[in-house]
Amino acid sequence: EAGVTQFPSHSVIEKGQTVTLRCDPISGHDNLYWYRRVMGKEIKFLLHFVKESKQDESGMPNNRFLAERTGGTYSTLKVQPAELEDSGVYFCASSLLADPPTEQFFGPGTRLTVL
Amino acid sequence: QQPVQSPQAVILREGEDAVINCSSSKALYSVHWYRQKHGEAPVFLMILLKGGEQKGHEKISASFNEKKQQSSLYLTASQLSYSGTYFCGTERKTSGTYKYIFGTGTRLKVLA
Repeated sequence: EAGVTQFPSHSVIEKGQTVTLRCDPISGHDNLYWYRRVMGKEIKFLLHFVKESKQDESGMPNNRFLAERTGGTYSTLKVQPAELEDSGVYFCASSLLADPPTEQFFGPGTRLTVL
Repeated sequence: QQPVQSPQAVILREGEDAVINCSSSKALYSVHWYRQKHGEAPVFLMILLKGGEQKGHEKISASFNEKKQQSSLYLTASQLSYSGTYFCGTERKTSGTYKYIFGTGTRLKVLA
């Protein structure tokens, strides 16, 4: 069974440019999460999709970040325009929709560097 | 409202034990523990759902206290492979929805 995949693995862009990150969750996982880890710091929650709906987007830094999950399958996270402080590793995770909750499976991450 | 982990960092010799704590100011619905090695994705260790619950896998175990505001991860007879950053992931159920937040992280280094 394929795990969570993310594309690209690395992205280097200049300040002001646009970048789109993609996440393909495990098939059948309705929960999809985006996180960011800045070097040496904690994993920060960005948002949570249940199927195609945004369940919680309280962690999104500002309106330069736009996440979508059309059709409830893969998700994209667009940063436009990118700023220096957006650099970090962006992780996507997915899990089954269940109560009580089950484990989240993480993708390998996309390392974003904004110059 | 981010859960606080302690210690922030710890260095062990192979074979030594360690305890990592995760504390929340509010009652939690569940606690997940993950380990992340440098440059890799976080890997799930275990989930605790009930106050008073304890779980273990090989030499790593965890507890979730009765008041459901604190969890501890116990690493026994540590191995080199235990090195990494440990995160607790906590869930609070508010108005029927789950809010998921990671703790501040604990960096663990095991030396030979």
